[in-house]
Amino acid sequence: GAVVSQHPSWVICKSGTSVKIECRSLDFQATTMFWYRQFPKQSLMLMATSNEGSKATYEQGVEKDKFLINHASLTLSTLTVTSAHPEDSSFYICSAREPTGGHGELFFGEGSRLTVL
Amino acid sequence: QKEVEQNSGPLSVPEGAIASLNCTYSDRVSQSFFWYRQYSGKSPELIMSIYSNGDKEDGRFTAQLNKASQYVSLLIRDSQPSDSATYLCAVSWAAGNKLTFGGGTRVLVKP
Repeated sequence: GAVVSQHPSWVICKSGTSVKIECRSLDFQATTMFWYRQFPKQSLMLMATSNEGSKATYEQGVEKDKFLINHASLTLSTLTVTSAHPEDSSFYICSAREPTGGHGELFFGEGSRLTVL
Repeated sequence: QKEVEQNSGPLSVPEGAIASLNCTYSDRVSQSFFWYRQYSGKSPELIMSIYSNGDKEDGRFTAQLNKASQYVSLLIRDSQPSDSATYLCAVSWAAGNKLTFGGGTRVLVKP
């Protein structure tokens, strides 16, 4: 399957600072990537759909000014958590589909665990 | 509101037994169905995908889809302790569309 890589795997930051998470498709070009958030013992919640060369599409209830998404190239999408607060502490996971073949399977990055102090 | 529902478990099975997981979904126009396995602290990994009614087998895993009854299931044969994880059901309502995930079923395989 497709390979999706995230960086960093772990990040600890102080409240009020901003954190950037990178998501890369390593062996294919992804015009669309998806950002999910997962709180402990809960399922994945879609935050936004990242579209290469255009604005991201945010899910209801997700603050677009707080979670900035940039998809400037066909292999890289970034999520920036601005002015982070402890309630933003979560597991953030990006995903993408292979552009050819398959029936819509999503392949996930390793995830980035954010802890805001 | 499109929904995907799973029993949260834990589903406890002895080693070597069959684990049976169920998932129901709310919309009849659903097209694609997926099972993911997620170990604690890790991201999900794809196990199976199924698109048409019936059974699909891959190794020790069998996915079963019944669109009329709006459910999809996953059987794990000869369960191993390494199968202990949370299993997520996911549904896509249009080709290439975003996936909606169920809450996951935690499976515990006891030696």
